[in-house]
Amino acid sequence: DAGVTQSPTHLIKTRGQQVTLRCSPISGHKSVSWYQQVLGQGPQFIFQYYEKEERGRGNFPDRFSARQFPNYSSELNVNALLLGDSALYLCASSLISGGAVEQFFGPGTRLTVL
Amino acid sequence: QKEVEQNSGPLSVPEGAIASLNCTYSDRGSQSFFWYRQYSGKSPELIMFIYSNGDKEDGRFTAQLNKASQYVSLLIRDSQPSDSATYLCAVNDYKLSFGAGTTVTVRA
Repeated sequence: DAGVTQSPTHLIKTRGQQVTLRCSPISGHKSVSWYQQVLGQGPQFIFQYYEKEERGRGNFPDRFSARQFPNYSSELNVNALLLGDSALYLCASSLISGGAVEQFFGPGTRLTVL
Repeated sequence: QKEVEQNSGPLSVPEGAIASLNCTYSDRGSQSFFWYRQYSGKSPELIMFIYSNGDKEDGRFTAQLNKASQYVSLLIRDSQPSDSATYLCAVNDYKLSFGAGTTVTVRA
């Protein structure tokens, strides 16, 4: 079975632009989480969706938004990009939402904001 | 205080030695603890998880959990050059809260 897939792999944008990142979870998984990883730090939680409903949101500004589709794939949108948004954006897939649930990461999208 | 803290690296060990990684967490109610390995330029890969006090072994990896001390560790036995990576400790309460990671280098 295919793992978590993300697109695009790399992206270069300029300040003020908007970006959409996409994620397809492992087949049968109904929960998708988004994380931001800045160089030298651990991933930071942005959003989690389960069964198309927002399960939780991290400490990120309203410029960040996400949604989950009926096929459980997900999009992360970031508006009015800032230089500080440059990071690796990771999508994690899990069977359900919960603490004792394994989350598997996709390859990530490397976003560079110039 | 950060939610999850890991011992600062980098950690350099000779091939065949034991690498010991430590992690403390602040929320006494935390129940689930995960270890991920991340190679440079790649995404985190789940190594193992632990929920109960004590040890859990999986191949060359052993996770240890002490909830009273709010401490979780990962031992890598017979370290190989391919184990050279950053190891991330995470607490999972539906969202993963990660430490900053410890970079391990295994010297051949």
